[in-house]
Amino acid sequence: DGGITQSPKYLFRKEGQNVTLSCEQNLNHDAMYWYRQDPGQGLRLIYYSQIVNDFQKGDIAEGYSVSREKKESFPLTVTSAQKNPTAFYLCASRTSGGGNEQFFGPGTRLTVL
Amino acid sequence: KQEVTQIPAALSVPEGENLVLNCSFTDSAIYNLQWFRQDPGKGLTSLLLIQSSQREQTSGRLNASLDKSSGRSTLYIAASQPGDSATYLCAVWGDYKLSFGAGTTVTVRA
Repeated sequence: DGGITQSPKYLFRKEGQNVTLSCEQNLNHDAMYWYRQDPGQGLRLIYYSQIVNDFQKGDIAEGYSVSREKKESFPLTVTSAQKNPTAFYLCASRTSGGGNEQFFGPGTRLTVL
Repeated sequence: KQEVTQIPAALSVPEGENLVLNCSFTDSAIYNLQWFRQDPGKGLTSLLLIQSSQREQTSGRLNASLDKSSGRSTLYIAASQPGDSATYLCAVWGDYKLSFGAGTTVTVRA
């Protein structure tokens, strides 16, 4: 059954801690994305990767880091430098070629205590 | 910078009524436009993808139109049902990313 999985579903972090959100896909997509969603706002792009071992900053990359060592995996680390990390985080991947359709995982809700 | 606007922000209709959701964007140089559905606390589900060369796309009770020159797209949902209650987001693909609207939250009353 193809799709995108994110874990954990809920994550609680104390101030000053780094946390890592997992994203895995078995759709054989080259491109993967991380978005942040806040209430009443559209999704904002944090980082994206179009191919293994390469990634680019999106619109709000400060305080976040990523890696892309495998095609299937694109973990996101929320560092202590991120001023307001409480949000809903969504991972996505995209088909290649003319379609460019984007698919999303179920999300991780991060709360800073 | 691409700006995507969805009006209204919220909509409540009785069951059986047709839904009309609007999306506008400022830069017409897009590759495609995608409509998504989001249920509370969940990820996004892709509903329809319209390529820039297409005028409309249909799937079941859903029909989406695209007018690139005027920067508009409309999502029509026929004969709404309570199960259609959700937030609907449109997003346009340009350069290297999708730009999203804030969404329209739909409530269908039984």
